[in-house]
Amino acid sequence: GAVVSQHPSRVICKSGTSVKIECRSLDFQATTMFWYRQFPKKSLMLMATSNEGSKATYEQGVEKDKFLINHASLTLSTLTVTSAHPEDSSFYICSASGGGAMDEQFFGPGTRLTVL
Amino acid sequence: RKEVEQDPGPFNVPEGATVAFNCTYSNSASQSFFWYRQDCRKEPKLLMSVYSSGNEDGRFTAQLNRASQYISLLIRDSKLSDSATYLCVVGEAAGNKLTFGGGTRVLVKP
Repeated sequence: GAVVSQHPSRVICKSGTSVKIECRSLDFQATTMFWYRQFPKKSLMLMATSNEGSKATYEQGVEKDKFLINHASLTLSTLTVTSAHPEDSSFYICSASGGGAMDEQFFGPGTRLTVL
Repeated sequence: RKEVEQDPGPFNVPEGATVAFNCTYSNSASQSFFWYRQDCRKEPKLLMSVYSSGNEDGRFTAQLNRASQYISLLIRDSKLSDSATYLCVVGEAAGNKLTFGGGTRVLVKP
């Protein structure tokens, strides 16, 4: 099956710093990658959709200047949480699909961010 | 109203028993339907897609009722390893966007 990796798996940072999370599709080309956030005991919430080579589409209520998404290649997308604050602490999960409607999304293992 | 609603549970199930639960979705234009399984602090993993005719995968049976806009999952002969949170997921054709329910927690006990 398709494999998606995320790095780092866990990060602890001080308030005000920026954190970059990488999402890689290891054995397929991902034309579309998705970024989700999950708070404890809550559902996954889609933050943004990114297509290779174009700007990400953000969901309502997600600040694009705070959550910078880059999808520069068919195997890598990055999410940068800028000027992180404690309320940004969450489980961030990416998924990737090969493109086309109805294509299965393959999820990365997630990154647990804790902002002190 | 949430787009995808699930009973959060937990459903406490004796090992070997059958458990069933539903989810409802609000967007009548939804195109695809799935059940995912998520273990604590892990990413969701696809359990099965759900088709209009209903489908079965081993001990798991999924049903879709488009008229009433609900999806069900039934687990037969529950195993301890079935303990997890089951996420109802609805997809839109446009942009392959998925909307997740809040999850139903299942605890299978000996």
